[in-house]
This record gives sequence, structure tokens and C-alpha cells, in this order.
Amino acid sequence: GQQVMQIPQYQHVQEGEDFTTYCNSSTTLSNIQWYKQRPGGHPVFLIQLVKSGEVKKQKRLTFQFGEAKKNSSLHITATQTTDVGTYFCAGVGDSNYQLIWGAGTKLIIKP
Amino acid sequence: EPEVTQTPSHQVTQMGQEVILRCVPISNHLYFYWYRQILGQKVEFLVSFYNNEISEKSEIFDDQFSVERPDGSNFTLKIRSTKLEDSAMYFCASTLWSNQPQHFGDGTRLSIL
Repeated sequence: GQQVMQIPQYQHVQEGEDFTTYCNSSTTLSNIQWYKQRPGGHPVFLIQLVKSGEVKKQKRLTFQFGEAKKNSSLHITATQTTDVGTYFCAGVGDSNYQLIWGAGTKLIIKP
Repeated sequence: EPEVTQTPSHQVTQMGQEVILRCVPISNHLYFYWYRQILGQKVEFLVSFYNNEISEKSEIFDDQFSVERPDGSNFTLKIRSTKLEDSAMYFCASTLWSNQPQHFGDGTRLSIL
């Protein structure tokens, strides 16, 4: 069945350093969504990408959707303590409406 | 801003018992979902529900599970004969249309003893 692989599982950064997480799908996606889950919280929607090659920005966050619509990335510039949490990608396949989630990348700020 | 609400926030149950987890989706939303997240792991899709019937379900959603919309506001997940491995956080979500960003409730932490 359709799978979405997300790496890395964890990323430790110093505050002010950049952070990137990558997602790859086994099949073409109709869209990909990104969510953030704070420790102890629920997933909160960040953004949806629909078009091939699409790039969207939200302040220090940059989201990309690959040309083949099978991969995506989230890049955070100059991380802050408020960025701490787990970032999930979730893809919708072309043939069904089920949202398939990546395993998440946990952003940890080194003390 | 409208919210998805879930009750209870924490449910402790003996193995073998039945549990019902409750959700009130956002009032004008048409699609409803249940997800499971074992501690520290990924969010796993269980089931989606539209027009009073299941539209999709995952392999996890076997005969032990059922969903119901008993009235115009509640959306429930029933787990029969619970097992230790059912211990997890269960999230409800809703959307206005399929394929749209999902709004999540705060979750119910289910602990099976």
C-alpha cells in the first residue's frame, strides 16, 4: 500500500540553526499537508501543497513539493524555542482520500 | 475559532472491557476521522466517515472497532474487548470536504490495564 517515509526521526539543533525534514511517497500524491505537534498536544495544520514544484513560505518556514509530486520538504531558518515539536507530513494519494502520515521529525533545541 | 472536542481526556479501562470515545466535530463539517497515536510514534489513520457511513478504513480498523454518529453532533469510536496494545492517544478530526486540512481534537488518552 501507499507509504510516506519521513526523515530524519530526530534533529538536534542549537537555537538559531536551521532545520529540515524530508518526506518521500511511494506513489504520486494529489496533495501533501504539513502538521506540527507540540509535546503533549494534537497535530495542528500548517500548510497544504497541491501543485507540482510548489514552494510556500510562512515566515521562517519554507515548504516545497517536488516536481513529481512524490516528495516534499520543510525547512525552518534560524530555529527558535517555539519551534520545538514534531513535524509531520501527510499525503493524500491520487486514488483515495486517505491521509497517509509520515513518522514525523522531532525538532529538539539543544540547551 | 470552532473546535473539535473530545471526551473523556483520559480513559482507564480493564483489558477485555468495551470503551466508547466521544467526539463533537466542528458543526458544519461533513467528514470525520479517527486516528491513533501510540506514545512517541506516528499518527495512524483508523477510519473516515461521511454521509453516515464509513468511507475508508485502515487495516488497524478491524471487527474490534466501530464508529457511529448517533445524533447530529456526536461521533463515537467503540472498541470492543480492549487489549493492552490498544493503549494510545486517540484523535478525532473533521473537515468540511474530503482532501482538506484536518482539524484535530485534543485527543483521548486510553490506558488499558
